[in-house]
Amino acid sequence: DQQVKQNSPSLSVQEGRISILNCDYTNSMFDYFLWYKKYPAEGPTFLISISSIKDKNEDGRFTVFLNKSAKHLSLHIVPSQPGDSAVYFCAASVYAISNFGNEKLTFGTGTRLTIIP
Amino acid sequence: DGGITQSPKYLFRKEGQNVTLSCEQNLNHDAMYWYRQDPGQGLRLIYYSQIVNDFQKGDIAEGYSVSREKKESFPLTVTSAQKNPTAFYLCASSSGTSRTRTEAFFGQGTRLTVV
Repeated sequence: DQQVKQNSPSLSVQEGRISILNCDYTNSMFDYFLWYKKYPAEGPTFLISISSIKDKNEDGRFTVFLNKSAKHLSLHIVPSQPGDSAVYFCAASVYAISNFGNEKLTFGTGTRLTIIP
Repeated sequence: DGGITQSPKYLFRKEGQNVTLSCEQNLNHDAMYWYRQDPGQGLRLIYYSQIVNDFQKGDIAEGYSVSREKKESFPLTVTSAQKNPTAFYLCASSSGTSRTRTEAFFGQGTRLTVV
């Protein structure tokens, strides 16, 4: 049962344009969402996160939008740069007081973003 | 430099042999995790540990074992009982609190191939 879904395996965007990566989830208990970027044969690196009490969070060229009623979040990258070419993973977690804020993450299957020069 | 070190980067194992993947962190993080990545799939949780001498099974723990004797170290043993051990293994750590959620930091991964 895939609780976090990234339905687009790949996406190609021209350099300078906006990249929009989408993620859907089914577990309404998820209350914290993260985006990670991953290059081949390397570990994922954290990009940006959002709490369920917000609907938008921005950090430089990266903005994450959360639509709780639709159980949908998206990552916007503006402007897209060649170095953004990577696989992007959406992840989510459920708060449990016994975990002291260190909840396990449930990941989507990833979207491969290719920026075309 | 603070970070998470996984070793070795590439590992080959003969069928039927156990193998242990190393994960060390000097970030002073309480929680550590092991994930597995297969082609076309996301990262799936194998085991995690919130504190020393305590750990819990994740979604795909069968055929794996872990220990957490020190805060800095969380080794993963892939046993001969694991039916499809060839994969990319990722170790992570985090330092959240009951008031502050935080991201997990990942190591560079170990590619295990069964030959």
